[in-house]
Amino acid sequence: EIVLTQSPATLSLSPGERATLSCRASQSVSSYLAWYQQKPGQAPRLLLYDASSRATGIPARFSGSGSGTDFTLTISSLEPEDFALYYCQHRINWPLTFGGGTRVEIK
Amino acid sequence: QVQLMQSGAEVKEPGASVKVSCKASGYTFTGYYMHWVRQAPGQGLEWMGWINPTTGGTHYAQKFQGRVTMTRDTSLSTGYMELSRLRSDDTAVYYCAKSRTWGEPYYFDSWGQGTLVTVSS
Repeated sequence: EIVLTQSPATLSLSPGERATLSCRASQSVSSYLAWYQQKPGQAPRLLLYDASSRATGIPARFSGSGSGTDFTLTISSLEPEDFALYYCQHRINWPLTFGGGTRVEIK
Repeated sequence: QVQLMQSGAEVKEPGASVKVSCKASGYTFTGYYMHWVRQAPGQGLEWMGWINPTTGGTHYAQKFQGRVTMTRDTSLSTGYMELSRLRSDDTAVYYCAKSRTWGEPYYFDSWGQGTLVTVSS
């Protein structure tokens, strides 16, 4: 199965700053990667799919890039509601797997 | 709007089975795959498998083969996930999730609220 490794584990930033999250796959997943946001006590929410396509209702400050094995989620200017956990997930084959997550916390 | 409403929390003894339901509304139930994903306390997300509500066809992660059964009742727009031979490490929040695209089992654009299953003697 494909292993997705996210880094850093924790990102400490202030509101208004730019956040850059990384997801690396153990083998190529082409552009078949999604990003989810999860807040405490809530279900995950789809942010991006196919590496760079924003899901319905997702603000433009969220963007994604990458292909093959290296992917990036960028939040251009952190809003207070963006402090949360972020997971990547591939869909190139079965089983679908998720990365271990990156926590974006308030500095 | 799309809603996935799951059944309530369960406490089970080791070796028992649990069946979680997920009632869908706000979309055509048979058009989108339903997945099940679990999350152990303080841990990440783990995909368990999917069911095609149209055909009833399923695909399970190998880790759960032989222990998990996913079914659906199209008349109720409800999916079910049954996990048997429960162990303490099955303690987790179990989510149902709807696939993003009609007829394709990829990505999850709507999620249930989660069902906590606690396995304890």
